[in-house]
Amino acid sequence: EVQLVESGGGLVKPGGSLRLSCAASGFTFSSYNMNWVRQAPGKGLEWVSLISSSSSYMYYADSVKGRFTISRDNAKNSLYLQMNSLRAEDTALYYCARDIPHYVGSFDYWGQGTLVTVSS
Amino acid sequence: QSVLTQPPSVSAAPGQRVTISCSGSMSNIGNNYVSWYQHLPGTAPKLLIYDNNKRPSGIPDRFSGSKSGTSATLGITGLQTGDEADYYCGTWDSSLSVVVFGGGTKLTVL
Repeated sequence: EVQLVESGGGLVKPGGSLRLSCAASGFTFSSYNMNWVRQAPGKGLEWVSLISSSSSYMYYADSVKGRFTISRDNAKNSLYLQMNSLRAEDTALYYCARDIPHYVGSFDYWGQGTLVTVSS
Repeated sequence: QSVLTQPPSVSAAPGQRVTISCSGSMSNIGNNYVSWYQHLPGTAPKLLIYDNNKRPSGIPDRFSGSKSGTSATLGITGLQTGDEADYYCGTWDSSLSVVVFGGGTKLTVL
């Protein structure tokens, strides 16, 4: 059974940093592109970042470019999101999501999310 | 303001059919495949349709997808109260090199 379990969320002050993790199981993690998607309170889904299966390429939403860094460790079946210079508008539930092979941006499995709150 | 445009809400009676539209441009829908998701806030979104009209295993054929030009449509037949949720379209934008979602459509089954 495919499972994606996010962790690392919490309360952080504006300007602070946080590192999210996503533990994957039930599939060959190293064969799949992975993503982070977020939902701010009362808002819709917003894609944040994508990393290819071998970390050869990464993409970011303009809203996080230069502040967030996506990475992965295929040996540990884990996906990460390093978030720096956090702003109030980064407050959201953050999901990790798996790409369908050959269908970039189509997410067949999602985690339950980890909540990030940026507030003083 | 989302790159993809969806109606904020739709409603229909149980057993009826409803469609949800998703409008974009050549750089996204026009040249890439569309996915549709069902989402109850606070839970994991569920993939309903990918590659414009394909259903993952386990998704009933009450859900269908289509694409024409720069627009896509999700259809749901035989509406059930359990279908009440937010629905999102998504695709890759080749000009922006990002994944884009619609703003979401809230389905109410009256």
